[in-house]
Amino acid sequence: AQSVTQLGSHVSVSEGALVLLRCNYSSSVPPYLFWYVQYPNQGLQLLLKYTTGATLVKGINGFEAEFKKSETSFHLTKPSAHMSDAAEYFCAVTSSGGYQKVTFGTGTKLQVIP
Amino acid sequence: EAGVAQSPRYKIIEKRQSVAFWCNPISGHATLYWYQQILGQGPKLLIQFQNNGVVDDSQLPKDRFSAERLKGVDSTLKIQPAKLEDSAVYLCASSTRQEGSPLHFGNGTRLTVT
Repeated sequence: AQSVTQLGSHVSVSEGALVLLRCNYSSSVPPYLFWYVQYPNQGLQLLLKYTTGATLVKGINGFEAEFKKSETSFHLTKPSAHMSDAAEYFCAVTSSGGYQKVTFGTGTKLQVIP
Repeated sequence: EAGVAQSPRYKIIEKRQSVAFWCNPISGHATLYWYQQILGQGPKLLIQFQNNGVVDDSQLPKDRFSAERLKGVDSTLKIQPAKLEDSAVYLCASSTRQEGSPLHFGNGTRLTVT
């Protein structure tokens, strides 16, 4: 079985401050990990994904995430928050082998304060 | 490439009525997903198709929900009869069959049951 835990349903940061959104996963086999962003009244858009190889993954809009197997974590960061980053962010996991079942976390709503 | 198309964008019905949602995935994507997203929660998988076969419908309330994917392309999701707790956003997504491939989402259908 696989699962994703996102710590903090709401995170507030000041514009220009570091963004850190936390995600921990559980998977019995090597996972594929994703971060998606959802703006109001829209579907989810892929920010970045980890498959294999380099553990530091760079995504769109200046976001990046680091895969840490020992900590079963895949936290999302951005050095400097922008007002346009205000949205809801979802971490997701899928496992290798079999059909691709994708499990989402409960989401973290990011507020950026001017 | 054209994205995932969904219709309608919004729907308001009374409880015990029926409703249907339509999804057209990205051309060539073998896998199609229907997710239910209740306000403030992460997407919950309702049903997953690989071509026109169902690979996972374990969380689909089969007494009231049904879905089909004719010819392995378009898909419809139906609710009959609707309950108040069905109020949610219904998201359609598609992906290739390649292991670890990301999901591409439509903008969703917001259903309100009164």
